[in-house]
Amino acid sequence: DIQMTQSPSSLSASVGDRVTITCRASQSISNHLIWYQQRPGKGPRFLIYDASSLYSGVPSRFSGGGSGTDFTLTISSLQPEDFATYYCQQSYTTPETFGQGTRVDI
Amino acid sequence: EVQLVQSGGGFVQPGGSLRVSCVGSGFTFSSYWMHWVRQTPGEGLVWVARVNSDGSDATYADSVKGRFTISRDNVKNTVYLQMNSLRPEDTAFYYCARGVSMFDYWGQGALVTVSS
Repeated sequence: DIQMTQSPSSLSASVGDRVTITCRASQSISNHLIWYQQRPGKGPRFLIYDASSLYSGVPSRFSGGGSGTDFTLTISSLQPEDFATYYCQQSYTTPETFGQGTRVDI
Repeated sequence: EVQLVQSGGGFVQPGGSLRVSCVGSGFTFSSYWMHWVRQTPGEGLVWVARVNSDGSDATYADSVKGRFTISRDNVKNTVYLQMNSLRPEDTAFYYCARGVSMFDYWGQGALVTVSS
């Protein structure tokens, strides 16, 4: 199985900050990388697919980049509703595997 | 509005069985693959199983193969996960999700607790 490793596991930030989360795959996955946001008590929310394509309705302050094994999720100006946990997932091969998550706290 | 509404879950002893269900609305259910993904504090999100759009093909994680069965009823717009021979390590929140290899909508989750 492809291992997905996120860093950091948690971070503290303030409203308005620029935040970057990284995700590394144990082998090349081309651009088959997904980002989700999860708030407490809810199912994950689909944010970005194919490493850098923003899903419909997702604010433009979210952006994704990278290819091969190294990827990033950037929030350009953190908003109160962005405090949540973020997960990456590879969609390159079955089983689809997830990173362990990055919690973004105030 | 796309919605996936789950039911089922609960408490079961090791070796027991449980079924969780997920009803889709707001989209053409029969056109989409459906999945089950589980989440625990220790393991995080783990893909469990998927079924193709007409229910003719299913794939499972090695950890549940032979014990869990995913199925669907496209008349009732419902996907099921039948869990047999449950183990304490199957304790988790179980989510249904829509998609092929990326999951654009998720259910609200159902807690399954396996304990004596």
